[in-house]
Amino acid sequence: DSGVTQTPKHLITATGQRVTLRCSPRSGDLSVYWYQQSLDQGLQFLIQYYNGEERAKGNILERFSAQQFPDLHSELNLSSLELGDSALYFCASSEPRLAGDTGELFFGEGSRLTVL
Amino acid sequence: DAKTTQPPSMDCAEGRAANLPCNHSTISGNEYVYWYRQIHSQGPQYIIHGLKNNETNEMASLIITEDRKSSTLILPHATLRDTAVYYCIVRVEDNYGQNFVFGPGTRLSVLP
Repeated sequence: DSGVTQTPKHLITATGQRVTLRCSPRSGDLSVYWYQQSLDQGLQFLIQYYNGEERAKGNILERFSAQQFPDLHSELNLSSLELGDSALYFCASSEPRLAGDTGELFFGEGSRLTVL
Repeated sequence: DAKTTQPPSMDCAEGRAANLPCNHSTISGNEYVYWYRQIHSQGPQYIIHGLKNNETNEMASLIITEDRKSSTLILPHATLRDTAVYYCIVRVEDNYGQNFVFGPGTRLSVLP
């Protein structure tokens, strides 16, 4: 158990719909990262938040958005869903930068989105 | 794009050492080598990382060549539960998400 919690674990919806994926980082972690993994594809970095502010943006579509709340949980909003958005969506968190920390990412178990 | 090259798949007999290679010929002086693995469709799991020196922890050993252009992850006694996709990543040691670039990885199959 990494300490990162993602909900829901599974989600089935239709094209054109909107969904929200939720992530609670490990206690004390300030950074939250979102990744997308399509079938047989590698993990694609989408976006990162640090202490409530966007820090880095990757290959995130304009139909997707995210935010990090004051309690540090994060939500990834996916709208106007297409069949190709079906994927595993992972959230990860990392510690604040301190001397000696590994800089590792702690991943949740993912949310599997199926768009029909 | 990933800065590393790994073989797409490897097999290893249960109980034997699994040696997973990674090429990172364009690595910069301040970039670390990280290894993660992903078992089935679970979230990726951190294994080990290093800069120049060889590293060992309870999960694995990391051997980095002197010129740092390649490295090898060693699982000393592979078990069936080590069957997974192993990712080699080079990145600076910071918290910027765009620097965590996962390539296709190596699919390791541990055979009974």
